[in-house]
Amino acid sequence: KAGVTQTPRYLIKTRGQQVTLSCSPISGHRSVSWYQQTPGQGLQFLFEYFSETQRNKGNFPGRFSGRQFSNSRSEMNVSTLELGDSALYLCASSLLQGGDTQYFGPGTRLTVL
Amino acid sequence: GIQVEQSPPDLILQEGANSTLRCNFSDSVNNLQWFHQNPWGQLINLFYIPSGTKQNGRLSATTVATERYSLLYISSSQTTDSGVYFCAVGNQAGTALIFGKGTTLSVSS
Repeated sequence: KAGVTQTPRYLIKTRGQQVTLSCSPISGHRSVSWYQQTPGQGLQFLFEYFSETQRNKGNFPGRFSGRQFSNSRSEMNVSTLELGDSALYLCASSLLQGGDTQYFGPGTRLTVL
Repeated sequence: GIQVEQSPPDLILQEGANSTLRCNFSDSVNNLQWFHQNPWGQLINLFYIPSGTKQNGRLSATTVATERYSLLYISSSQTTDSGVYFCAVGNQAGTALIFGKGTTLSVSS
């Protein structure tokens, strides 16, 4: 089976712009979670989607949003980008919701100038 | 929320040495995973181990849930084992994982 894929792999934006990142989970997986990784804060949970519904949300401002489509693919959007949004954004998929192995994609490295 | 502490923060080994990485967590969990992050940022799942012991080749892990800690053992380390090892836990119905700060392992030949 193909692994989790994320596009684009690298992105450069300027402050104030918005960005959309995409994640395709492993075939058959219905749960998709997003994480942000920065040198200062480490890996932090953003949100989780299961069957097109947001099931869980981390402590991030409303500028961060996401959605999941009927084929389980997910997108996350960050509006009004700030310098501090520069990070590696990782997507993970799992077969079940809760208490299950999560498989991570290669990530999207976002740089905000 | 749950606190996750990993030790040691850094580890330098010669090829062939063995090592033990520790993860302490502050509350009961229904999900505990160990990951290896390679230099390109990819997180590779090593073990899903909320309790008990598992082995996979030169790697093994043990979680003692009642005492709230987990150990990752690496035997006969190789240079390709270098990278950052993360412990992550979850205790909610969803799949949100709380990550420790990681242990950075450097293996030299």
